[in-house]
Amino acid sequence: RKEVEQDPGPFNVPEGATVAFNCTYSNSASQSFFWYRQDCRKEPKLLMSVYSSGNEDGRFTAQLNRASQYISLLIRDSKLSDSATYLCVVNMRGANNLFFGTGTRLTVIP
Amino acid sequence: EAGVAQSPRYKIIEKRQSVAFWCNPISGHATLYWYQQILGQGPKLLIQFQNNGVVDDSQLPKDRFSAERLKGVDSTLKIQPAKLEDSAVYLCASSPIDRVGSYEQYFGPGTRLTVT
Repeated sequence: RKEVEQDPGPFNVPEGATVAFNCTYSNSASQSFFWYRQDCRKEPKLLMSVYSSGNEDGRFTAQLNRASQYISLLIRDSKLSDSATYLCVVNMRGANNLFFGTGTRLTVIP
Repeated sequence: EAGVAQSPRYKIIEKRQSVAFWCNPISGHATLYWYQQILGQGPKLLIQFQNNGVVDDSQLPKDRFSAERLKGVDSTLKIQPAKLEDSAVYLCASSPIDRVGSYEQYFGPGTRLTVT
């Protein structure tokens, strides 16, 4: 079983729509959780960390459910510039390396 | 602040040839990573250095891949001999380890390798 699993999509949504991505992780010892964004032919960049209490950054909301080992990312009022691949990333307790999901591809359509 | 530098950006080689990639991390970052990202997949860790020591190389195919970070700064990743399945983007990343609980990794632009 993979450490991190995501629906690869693609998700094609119109501008202004709300879209949600989900991710599950297999290791209950996982400690830190992140969403990275990767534009086509570019490197991954940190979008936001995911905290147990949930966190929001503008139009982006991330939530964590430790009991279900589930992470989500919600994007409200989608912009064309949100088109990218969103990578779910997990770090194990005591380790400094990250496990990446395959990514979910989002295309926002005018 | 300068980002992670990598070269070359693109490389095309024939199978069984050798290739080397270079990475210069962000100044002051003690931890350096090499990842392999195959098309349609997320990055997969190959090797992690802390300063000039190897922390994790469990997923490095050691029969053909090698990496070094001799002075704890720049790093090189080598493939010898290359196989068709090595076609991928090779990403270098670095992170500071002095911030407790901070695991953000900063990625370079990657080297896109095509093996024919």
